[in-house]
Amino acid sequence: QKEVEQDPGPLSVPEGAIVSLNCTYSNSAFQYFMWYRQYSRKGPELLMYTYSSGNKEDGRFTAQVDKSSKYISLFIRDSQPSDSATYLCAMRVTDSWGKLQFGAGTQVVVTP
Amino acid sequence: DAGVTQSPTHLIKTRGQQVTLRCSPKSGHDTVSWYQQALGQGPQFIFQYYEEEERQRGNFPDRFSGHQFPNYSSELNVNALLLGDSALYLCASSLVGAGANVLTFGAGSRLTVL
Repeated sequence: QKEVEQDPGPLSVPEGAIVSLNCTYSNSAFQYFMWYRQYSRKGPELLMYTYSSGNKEDGRFTAQVDKSSKYISLFIRDSQPSDSATYLCAMRVTDSWGKLQFGAGTQVVVTP
Repeated sequence: DAGVTQSPTHLIKTRGQQVTLRCSPKSGHDTVSWYQQALGQGPQFIFQYYEEEERQRGNFPDRFSGHQFPNYSSELNVNALLLGDSALYLCASSLVGAGANVLTFGAGSRLTVL
């Protein structure tokens, strides 16, 4: 069993819809949670990170962490075709800076 | 600001050969991490360098080795290449400590082993 599970998709939504992405994990020591966006033939780009449980909002993006359920989510409001990409969740333990455990990524397609 | 640059962008090798990949970190960053991303998978941590020393290592064999230079740039070396080493190799830079939450990735070096 992988430490971080993420549905690979693809997830297809119409422009303007809310995109809902999630990951589950098994290691209760994870404290930092990130979401990366990766376009084809590019490296991952950090969207957001949160520490421990709670919500964080940044523009059209909202990240949620529920440590009791070992479940994290990313919501994208008012989705645009330019949001079409692979979204990767990642997480790390407190004293393991730089060593991230990634999910497999979810491919998102936003259709005009 | 030039971000993270990696070279070469693509390369083809045959089984048993050796390869060296290079990375220049984002200006101001002092830590370099290397990841392997197989097709359709998320990146897997190989190792991390800080102050010219390997600080952390993932579950990769000794065939994978690296180096960090005084200017913070880094190299990844892979010996005795296997078909399974075909992947996108990503370099990420960051600042030590709290800055570790903000990794900046390069576009990667795509290695094909025939």
